[in-house]
Amino acid sequence: ILNVEQSPQSLHVQEGDSTNFTCSFPSSNFYALHWYRWETAKSPEALFVMTLNGDEKKKGRISATLNTKEGYSYLYIKGSQPEDSATYLCASYNFNKFYFGSGTKLNVKP
Amino acid sequence: GAGVSQSPSNKVTEKGKDVELRCDPISGHTALYWYRQSLGQGLEFLIYFQGNSAPDKSGLPSDRFSAERTGGSVSTLTIQRTQQEDSAVYLCASRSAVGSGSTGELFFGEGSRLTVL
Repeated sequence: ILNVEQSPQSLHVQEGDSTNFTCSFPSSNFYALHWYRWETAKSPEALFVMTLNGDEKKKGRISATLNTKEGYSYLYIKGSQPEDSATYLCASYNFNKFYFGSGTKLNVKP
Repeated sequence: GAGVSQSPSNKVTEKGKDVELRCDPISGHTALYWYRQSLGQGLEFLIYFQGNSAPDKSGLPSDRFSAERTGGSVSTLTIQRTQQEDSAVYLCASRSAVGSGSTGELFFGEGSRLTVL
């Protein structure tokens, strides 16, 4: 079992604030790091899949970075909007399995 | 529809009863996963099916849990003699593993919320 940790557990920000959170994973035998967004009453949806050390990916106001040597990934949201409110999950992929962190629950207040 | 479909969306049952949860994956996806999320916990891996290979059952928490996948498509997760600690959201996800290696994303259903009284 891979131990994937996310912090903070929850986050409350005001609309317009920029924010970031962390995913930590074992750096040995690394294959890929996935980020998912899980909105209430919906299914989790993939945001990013990252494989290479130094990878940076961006989708609109959301971006992510990857450091495979030290075993962490950051997710950044620029200018948070209420519709960004969701739980953000990261998962380390290893030998056909996805090991998920417990997520960061983001609440953006208008 | 084109997405992963799960049923029932909500299930309330009494302790000791058996329940079946169904997952209909995206057509053509060879890999199918079951996860569950208990209150305040992360997604816990339960079982993984890949094509016609023997499933990876290493995440099933007890022998009360079983799952099958018929014809490489629909999967059913069965929980026998349910206990209160089985209460959770059970998520199914499928993935096109052919050629995607580690980069193929998971496509999730909306989950089945199980409450055991």
